[in-house]
Amino acid sequence: DAGVIQSPRHEVTEMGQEVTLRCKPISGHNSLFWYRQTMMRGLELLIYFNNNVPIDDSGMPEDRFSAKMPNASFSTLKIQPSEPRDSAVYFCASSYGYNEQFFGPGTRLTVL
Amino acid sequence: SQKIEQNSEALNIQEGKTATLTCNYTNYSPAYLQWYRQDPGRGPVFLLLIRENEKEKRKERLKVTFDTTLKQSLFHITASQPADSATYLCAHHGSGNTGKLIFGQGTTLQVKP
Repeated sequence: DAGVIQSPRHEVTEMGQEVTLRCKPISGHNSLFWYRQTMMRGLELLIYFNNNVPIDDSGMPEDRFSAKMPNASFSTLKIQPSEPRDSAVYFCASSYGYNEQFFGPGTRLTVL
Repeated sequence: SQKIEQNSEALNIQEGKTATLTCNYTNYSPAYLQWYRQDPGRGPVFLLLIRENEKEKRKERLKVTFDTTLKQSLFHITASQPADSATYLCAHHGSGNTGKLIFGQGTTLQVKP
């Protein structure tokens, strides 16, 4: 298995633009997690899905952030409009049940 | 809030020594804790999971302990090597036995040859 796949690996955009991050979890995993990592706040959970259903989105900063999981092999995290303070590394992780999580390589987002 | 705290200061040790990292949690008693390793520019990688009824768990040169009285987990790397240099994160699931992982800030370990 290729592991968790994220795209793009790097994204540079201007304030106000829409950003879409993509994730393909490991086949057979039924839980998917979106995290954000910054030096100041560390690794924070934004939202997680179980069997494609959003379970907890209490970590989503505000309405500018939205996430979808249309099927078991794909999820997106969208920021619209983006702001400089959204600059961070965004990780997607997947697991089977609530056990060890497998993280993707991350997307480094820079909002100018 | 269910906090999980790690020593934010970097830990510098000499090759061959045992590294000991600390993870403390407050306002909650997790059923289990997880430890991850993160290298620069990469995602965290799972290392060990220890349950509350397990006082100690080992994997090769790694050892994790879980003291529910002290609300603390210790992570040990014996015979440390420069390749062990990384940031180590502990995490717990929070209340409600959900999939939500709450991570500590991580402790950066530097092993000098």
